[in-house]
Amino acid sequence: AQSVTQLGSHVSVSEGALVLLRCNYSSSVPPYLFWYVQYPNQGLQLLLKYTTGATLVKGINGFEAEFKKSETSFHLTKPSAHMSDAAEYFCAVTNTNAGKSTFGDGTTLTVKP
Amino acid sequence: DTGVSQDPRHKITKRGQNVTFRCDPISEHNRLYWYRQTLGQGPEFLTYFQNEAQLEKSRLLSDRFSAERPKGSFSTLEIQRTEQGDSAMYLCASSGGGDPANYGYTFGSGTRLTVV
Repeated sequence: AQSVTQLGSHVSVSEGALVLLRCNYSSSVPPYLFWYVQYPNQGLQLLLKYTTGATLVKGINGFEAEFKKSETSFHLTKPSAHMSDAAEYFCAVTNTNAGKSTFGDGTTLTVKP
Repeated sequence: DTGVSQDPRHKITKRGQNVTFRCDPISEHNRLYWYRQTLGQGPEFLTYFQNEAQLEKSRLLSDRFSAERPKGSFSTLEIQRTEQGDSAMYLCASSGGGDPANYGYTFGSGTRLTVV
């Protein structure tokens, strides 16, 4: 079984401030982990993924995430928020070769000017 | 390649009617997934195809739901005798298989279903 918990359904930051969106997972086998972003009235877009190799992964738009096995976490960060980062962010875990993902309930990021 | 296409974008239907949605995945992707998303929640898995074979189906998918992927290309999702609880965004995604480096979905823009 696999599951994802995103801590905080809403996060608000000022433009230029650090963005930190939290994700904890549960998986019975080594997981593959993903972050997706969803802008209003659009489908989800893959931001970044951890499958194998380096535990610090970089994605699009300046986002990065670190896989910490001991903490079962995969938090998403960006050093400096931009107004265009306002969106909903979903963390997802996959632990089967079928590639089926389980998603968290999402975190809505608001960026204040 | 234009990505994953879904049609229609919006569908309003009366309770009890049947609806069918179409998904055209990225052509070189052999895996295709259907998810359902309701307000305030993340996508929930419905079903999964590898090429033309439907390999997994969620218990969320009642007998009123059926999906096909003839010839391993486009897929259709049909809901029979729609109910108000079926109102949701239906998302299609595709991905490459085999190497985990290929994992990760490309999503379509979704079909928003409203049952009145």
